[in-house]
Amino acid sequence: KQEVTQIPAALSVPEGENLVLNCSFTDSAIYNLQWFRQDPGKGLTSLLLIQSSQREQTSGRLNASLDKSSGRSTLYIAASQPGDSATYLCAVTGNTPLVFGKGTRLSVIA
Amino acid sequence: AAGVIQSPRHLIKEKRETATLKCYPIPRHDTVYWYQQGPGQDPQFLISFYEKMQSDKGSIPDRFSAQQFSDYHSELNMSSLELGDSALYFCASSRRQGGSGANVLTFGAGSRLTVL
Repeated sequence: KQEVTQIPAALSVPEGENLVLNCSFTDSAIYNLQWFRQDPGKGLTSLLLIQSSQREQTSGRLNASLDKSSGRSTLYIAASQPGDSATYLCAVTGNTPLVFGKGTRLSVIA
Repeated sequence: AAGVIQSPRHLIKEKRETATLKCYPIPRHDTVYWYQQGPGQDPQFLISFYEKMQSDKGSIPDRFSAQQFSDYHSELNMSSLELGDSALYFCASSRRQGGSGANVLTFGAGSRLTVL
């Protein structure tokens, strides 16, 4: 059974810092990995999608990497802003539909 | 671009009542997924349908049932509601890509169910 773990569970940083969120998964037989953002009580916003054949994807200040063989992904956020404060969820698709991690709750302090 | 539409956005029910949530997928998407996210929890997969047939089953309680209709919209029926059913219910849709199974899911905004 696929299990997705995200570290840290919570993170607080001052505005302007670069930061890294970590995601690991137990079954490397995945088709793709997605990073989502979720504001409190709100829906899921897809940030980046990495296909299993890809190593990384970039969108603006966000960069996600994937090391499928080791079962790891990182989300790098450059020059963090208070508006980045949210929960970031990692999810993988393999032989079962999307399996989510428990997320990292990020607070960016102005 | 059209997105996944869920209704209602908010629903309040009493214990032991019944609730129905609806999901309208992105046009030409043939697969629908239902997820449940309890307070402070990660989304948990409930069930999915491909071309109106159940394709995968996750942690869906026996009190819940779902189906996908000929127009590809889906409904999640929840009976004998319990306090623990209070959650955000997300629907997602995708278009199956050949035999790869590498479907990219697009999520709706969710339906918030509160059971009193």
